[in-house]
Amino acid sequence: GAGVSQTPSNKVTEKGKYVELRCDPISGHTALYWYRQSLGQGPEFLIYFQGTGAADDSGLPNDRFFAVRPEGSVSTLKIQRTERGDSAVYLCASSKSWNTEAFFGQGTRLTVV
Amino acid sequence: EDQVTQSPEALRLQEGESSSLNCSYTVSGLRGLFWYRQDPGKGPEFLFTLYSAGEEKEKERLKATLTKKESFLHITAPKPEDSATYLCAVQGQGQNFVFGPGTRLSVLP
Repeated sequence: GAGVSQTPSNKVTEKGKYVELRCDPISGHTALYWYRQSLGQGPEFLIYFQGTGAADDSGLPNDRFFAVRPEGSVSTLKIQRTERGDSAVYLCASSKSWNTEAFFGQGTRLTVV
Repeated sequence: EDQVTQSPEALRLQEGESSSLNCSYTVSGLRGLFWYRQDPGKGPEFLFTLYSAGEEKEKERLKATLTKKESFLHITAPKPEDSATYLCAVQGQGQNFVFGPGTRLSVLP
């Protein structure tokens, strides 16, 4: 595709439910990043994939958060037992390689009620 | 730990009034410094990459410069459509991007 695509654009879920957020990167980009952004703040790193493997997951806040990228393209961020504090915009970005600029999607706004 | 701060937090300019935004960073082994623009409700949009001190990049009314401790985004004769949040990020020895909190720029007609 022309750019990074994220679905859904908005997700409202009840506390305790499980959610999946999808990211479709730019074709041919091997590096994929997930970030979380709260209102008025800069993006906060969650996890980075190089190909199919998670090269750095040090930003995941706890074991309720998990991400996969099974074929080295589309990635899914999974959040179990959602809490109200998980409410934020989840951003996905991809880059040609790990040391070049990253291009972001529009984000998924997650609201936990 | 890599860190990025940005100042001012918010800036209001009249159309045509030039100014600069600051990004100060602490990083072990800078691989690149990145500037992004973010409009409300949108993802960050890539503007520039700077790799070494002394490097400069320009695009329309924007010019980014880099020293060993900070980067500046100079805005010359801004227009209302330049209103946005400007984010600075660094990539050090880790492979992720560390972002600052951003500067919210408003350009009044």
